[in-house]
Amino acid sequence: EAGVVQSPRYKIIEKKQPVAFWCNPISGHNTLYWYRQNLGQGPELLIRYENEEAVDDSQLPKDRFSAERLKGVDSTLKIQPAELGDSAVYLCASSLSDQPQHFGDGTRLSIL
Amino acid sequence: QQQVKQSPQSLIVQKGGISIINCAYENTAFDYFPWYQQFPGKGPALLIAIRPDVSEKKEGRFTISFNKSAKQFSLHIMDSQPGDSATYFCAAGRNSGNTPLVFGKGTRLSVIA
Repeated sequence: EAGVVQSPRYKIIEKKQPVAFWCNPISGHNTLYWYRQNLGQGPELLIRYENEEAVDDSQLPKDRFSAERLKGVDSTLKIQPAELGDSAVYLCASSLSDQPQHFGDGTRLSIL
Repeated sequence: QQQVKQSPQSLIVQKGGISIINCAYENTAFDYFPWYQQFPGKGPALLIAIRPDVSEKKEGRFTISFNKSAKQFSLHIMDSQPGDSATYFCAAGRNSGNTPLVFGKGTRLSVIA
């Protein structure tokens, strides 16, 4: 079974530029999460989807961050414009019903 | 409160020794406590998890001990090996797995020969 796939693995952009991350969850997993992991810290939730619906986005900075999950499968997370403090690893995870979450390897974002 | 406190921040253990990492939580609504292992450049991988209806769970060399009254849980790695060198995160959540997890800040474990 393929795991959670994220792309790109690395992204370097200048501040104020837009950036997008893509996530393909494990097949059949209805719940998808985006977490942000700052250096030396644990992951922190940005947004959670149940199928196509965003059910928990209270931690998403909505002035610059947006996310979508079309057809309840793949998801994209976008930042526009990026700020220096957005440098982090962006992790996607998925789960099926009441089963544990499985994480992808993340996208490491560096803002210059 | 959503905080999960993890200690120590880093740990050095001799090969064959026991590694112990501790976590404490505040929200009594939490009923699912997983431990994740993360290698550099990789995402967190589920290691072992426990629910509050048991005080201990063992899988191979890895054991979780859980103290509900103290709101604390710990990970014990027996016969630690160099391949166990990684960052370990405790987490807490509700309803098994499909609700957001609150993570500790991580413990960097180094097992030396």
